[in-house]
Amino acid sequence: KAGVTQTPRYLIKTRGQQVTLSCSPISGHRSVSWYQQTPGQGLQFLFEYFSETQRNKGNFPGRFSGRQFSNSRSEMNVSTLELGDSALYLCASSLGRTSGVVTQYFGPGTRLLVL
Amino acid sequence: AQRVTQPEKLLSVFKGAPVELKCNYSYSGSPELFWYVQYSRQRLQLLLRHISRESIKGFTADLNKGETSFHLKKPFAQEEDSAMYYCALNTNAGKSTFGDGTTLTVKP
Repeated sequence: KAGVTQTPRYLIKTRGQQVTLSCSPISGHRSVSWYQQTPGQGLQFLFEYFSETQRNKGNFPGRFSGRQFSNSRSEMNVSTLELGDSALYLCASSLGRTSGVVTQYFGPGTRLLVL
Repeated sequence: AQRVTQPEKLLSVFKGAPVELKCNYSYSGSPELFWYVQYSRQRLQLLLRHISRESIKGFTADLNKGETSFHLKKPFAQEEDSAMYYCALNTNAGKSTFGDGTTLTVKP
């Protein structure tokens, strides 16, 4: 099976702009989670989508949003970019069971630089 | 609230020496714990799940609910084990809380 893919891999934006990142999960996986990775804060959970619905949400401002399509692909949007949004954004997919152990598989990430 | 603590940011051992990467967690429910590894320029990948009680690449980890720990161990470290290791606690389906990570360096 192909792994989780993320596009684009690298992105440079300026403050105030908005950005959309895309994630294609492993075939058959219905859950997609997004994480922000920075040297200072480590890996932080943004949100999780399952069957086109946001099921979990982390502690990020409303500028961070996402959606999931019927084919389980997911997009993450950040509006009004700030310098502090510079990070590696990771997407992880899983089968999405609501019970039992959930194993997540990570994509390579999109590295966003805000100037 | 859930929390994962990896007390060592950096850990350095010599090849062939035993290695233990510490992980402590705080969670009131029944935890699902994982170890992930990130080799240089590679994606984050799953190393171990506590529920599997397996040994991957010589690594094992035992969940100790009394001490709320999930330490990762390997009896004889290899140079190729040099990487960043993350302990993660899954509390709700697709939501994981990660520790800050430990960078392991295995010296020849």
